[in-house]
Amino acid sequence: DTEVTQTPKHLVMGMTNKKSLKCEQHMGHRAMYWYKQKAKKPPELMFVYSYEKLSINESVPSRFSPECPNSSLLNLHLHALQPEDSALYLCASSQDPSPGPYGYTFGSGTRLTVV
Amino acid sequence: RKEVEQDPGPFNVPEGATVAFNCTYSNSASQSFFWYRQDCRKEPKLLMSVYSSGNEDGRFTAQLNRASQYISLLIRDSKLSDSATYLCVVGFFSGGYNKLIFGAGTRLAVHP
Repeated sequence: DTEVTQTPKHLVMGMTNKKSLKCEQHMGHRAMYWYKQKAKKPPELMFVYSYEKLSINESVPSRFSPECPNSSLLNLHLHALQPEDSALYLCASSQDPSPGPYGYTFGSGTRLTVV
Repeated sequence: RKEVEQDPGPFNVPEGATVAFNCTYSNSASQSFFWYRQDCRKEPKLLMSVYSSGNEDGRFTAQLNRASQYISLLIRDSKLSDSATYLCVVGFFSGGYNKLIFGAGTRLAVHP
């Protein structure tokens, strides 16, 4: 299994809703990441989990709350989002947090629209 | 200055053409280098890692010049299926974690 699986693929939510994005990998990777990508822009790092501990929070607003229940799962809890938060949210994983030749494996993303 | 800079393109080339993309990065402590490919409305997919000695994978050749902080990708005999955005990606290790920074991407359109 060489995949990172993200659900849902599409999500429309109102500004008062609470929703969660889910990410799962069974490759034994020990680092997992959330990226946000706006149209025609590169992915921007939001959070890094290394060995199930939050290592990086790239000054992301508190309306985004990550959670890593175990080494295979990564969630992103959403609350009180704004329309400008509409984007493609990408989950990725890597074998371990140190640099190596394998890069990250990305999931297919959740396309989020906030109305 | 952006951490990773690329020419956004688009590069419009006929099938069979050879096309080259360039990328520069600002952090001299960078340790890992990649080219990713991203199709419209899809996730980025790793095309190849880039090594100082240069490396080749079929029609694709990547080069890294650490002294100039410059990375290149050469695509020979372009196919229609090569049409995509090519993202230059640079990684550095800081505080116990590996952080990948993406360039804005270079768009390639291959036409018949």
